[in-house]
Amino acid sequence: AQTVTQSQPEMSVQEAETVTLSCTYDTSESDYYLFWYKQPPSRQMILVIRQEAYKQQNATENRFSVNFQKAAKSFSLKISDSQLGDAAMYFCAYRSAANAGNNRKLIWGLGTSLAVNP
Amino acid sequence: DAGVTQSPTHLIKTRGQQVTLRCSPKSGHDTVSWYQQALGQGPQFIFQYYEEEERQRGNFPDRFSGHQFPNYSSELNVNALLLGDSALYLCASSLRNHYGYTFGSGTRLTVV
Repeated sequence: AQTVTQSQPEMSVQEAETVTLSCTYDTSESDYYLFWYKQPPSRQMILVIRQEAYKQQNATENRFSVNFQKAAKSFSLKISDSQLGDAAMYFCAYRSAANAGNNRKLIWGLGTSLAVNP
Repeated sequence: DAGVTQSPTHLIKTRGQQVTLRCSPKSGHDTVSWYQQALGQGPQFIFQYYEEEERQRGNFPDRFSGHQFPNYSSELNVNALLLGDSALYLCASSLRNHYGYTFGSGTRLTVV
């Protein structure tokens, strides 16, 4: 079974600085998707960035980028120029690319609480 | 373009009671997934519906059941509530077999 591990329960960063959140996963599959979601106090899960495992190039979305190391099964999120609005819980999630059987679900880590200090 | 709508936002129930949570998917989406997020935890997959049938189920007891209607909206029912069922219940909609999910803001269920 696949697992997702986030080893940093809490992180903090100064406004305008850069922070990296860590995520590792375990799978025997070769094709899958990885996600970073943000959950602010409003509780809604908001997609930050997505990475397809077959793509070697790291995904980027404005100030957010990932370091995807497929062999090491590592998927870290870098937030540049941190803003007060970035403060939230951040979850790493995995989904198999196969749609058969029990593969359509998202498997989640425990999350990292990010505080942004002014 | 409406996103995912969940109701109610908060709910307090007594042990042993039954509860129904509702979800309206994003316009154009035909698949609904339900997740349970206990305090301080990541979400856990409950089940997924499309074409009005349960297509995939997580490791949850039969007390958890669901339904999907012809308009793609969905209900999550929990019978014989336990204190441990207290959690945030999230609904996510998507297109069938697609990995793009839109989440609602959840229903906070408290069992006392």
